[in-house]
Amino acid sequence: DQQVKQNSPSLSVQEGRISILNCDYTNSMFDYFLWYKKYPAEGPTFLISISSIKDKNEDGRFTVFLNKSAKHLSLHIVPSQPGDSAVYFCAASAQGGSEKLVFGKGTKLTVNP
Amino acid sequence: DVKVTQSSRYLVKRTGEKVFLECVQDMDHENMFWYRQDPGLGLRLIYFSYDVKMKEKGDIPEGYSVSREKKERFSLILESASTNQTSMYLCASIMSKTHQPQHFGDGTRLSIL
Repeated sequence: DQQVKQNSPSLSVQEGRISILNCDYTNSMFDYFLWYKKYPAEGPTFLISISSIKDKNEDGRFTVFLNKSAKHLSLHIVPSQPGDSAVYFCAASAQGGSEKLVFGKGTKLTVNP
Repeated sequence: DVKVTQSSRYLVKRTGEKVFLECVQDMDHENMFWYRQDPGLGLRLIYFSYDVKMKEKGDIPEGYSVSREKKERFSLILESASTNQTSMYLCASIMSKTHQPQHFGDGTRLSIL
């Protein structure tokens, strides 16, 4: 039973355009959501997070949107740069737990120059 | 800045060997985690620990054990390595009872021949 789903294994965009990565979840107890970026042969790097009390969080070129009623979140990257090419993982956790994260399977983003 | 250090970046072992993967963090975090990452499967939790000498099974604990004798160190043990344990292994840590991102090490690429 996959609690966090990233339905697009890959995404390709042109440099300068917007990249939109999507994530769906099923567990209504999740209240904290994160995006990680991962390059090959490196550990995941934290990108941005959002608490369930918000519906939007911005950090520079990165914005995360949360739609709780649809159990959906998305990561927008504007403008996209070739250095953004990586695998992006969506993750979620529930308050009061052991800070366990449940990860999606990842979306490989390729930004073409 | 949090530093999570995994003892080896690349490791090659033989089937049936006992394998130890070491992880050390320098931020006095209570919670530590071991994941494996496989293409198309995302990050899957093997074991985690929320205190010294405490451990909890994750989603895929079979064939693995862990040790947490000191707060800063969390070891993953492959009791008798098998080829299906060839993978990227990732360690992470976080302060307990905080909704903060987990900090990851650079990973160990383990090949079992």
